[in-house]
Amino acid sequence: NAGVMQNPRHLVRRRGQEARLRCSPMKGHSHVYWYRQLPEEGLKFMVYLQKENIIDESGMPKERFSAEFPKEGPSILRIQQVVRGDSAAYFCASSGGAQGLFGFSFGSGSRLTVV
Amino acid sequence: AQSVTQPDIHITVSEGASLELRCNYSYGATPYLFWYVQSPGQGLQLLLKYFSGDTLVQGIKGFEAEFKRSQSSFNLRKPSVHWSDAAEYFCAVVRQDGGSQGNLIFGKGTKLSVKP
Repeated sequence: NAGVMQNPRHLVRRRGQEARLRCSPMKGHSHVYWYRQLPEEGLKFMVYLQKENIIDESGMPKERFSAEFPKEGPSILRIQQVVRGDSAAYFCASSGGAQGLFGFSFGSGSRLTVV
Repeated sequence: AQSVTQPDIHITVSEGASLELRCNYSYGATPYLFWYVQSPGQGLQLLLKYFSGDTLVQGIKGFEAEFKRSQSSFNLRKPSVHWSDAAEYFCAVVRQDGGSQGNLIFGKGTKLSVKP
């Protein structure tokens, strides 16, 4: 009964490279949320997806960031041309319904370091 | 816009002492509230949640929280802290105003240190 699975746990990228972070939601969950945690900060919402649909991307930076949740396979957060400021922990959460009424389950996070 | 405030950035308590972590939210209607705990380098673990009903909510690891509408607060408490409780604690509310709803708005967290 696996929970939310994120990989990789740690990722190092040089400036200008691309970073791809993956999230497999909990079994039976069809709602996926991505959050970013900067040092000394709480988690900030980035994007909310359901299968093949982006529901809310109001927290995503306008450039270089994109997310998808295909019909098959994990959700992917993609960061192109990474910069030092992208270094952060990226967390994925999944939920069995809208409004979080069934609760959110979080993955262990992917920690991106840009050098 | 909805928001969550955790006034204390860092708290230190002695092992065995009682603990209260403060959380204030802004929202006119009934909020959906959560407390999460994060150990260093780890993900978030749900301690407890409040949706409706009894305003005193029991969670895991001996934690409880009380929803007080008049004070817009949802403070986390534990009667006797253990060294293993040292971690960072986040209060969160489900976004219910405007736009797409359902994602979580987090406070900035309170880091708890436990003295032997």
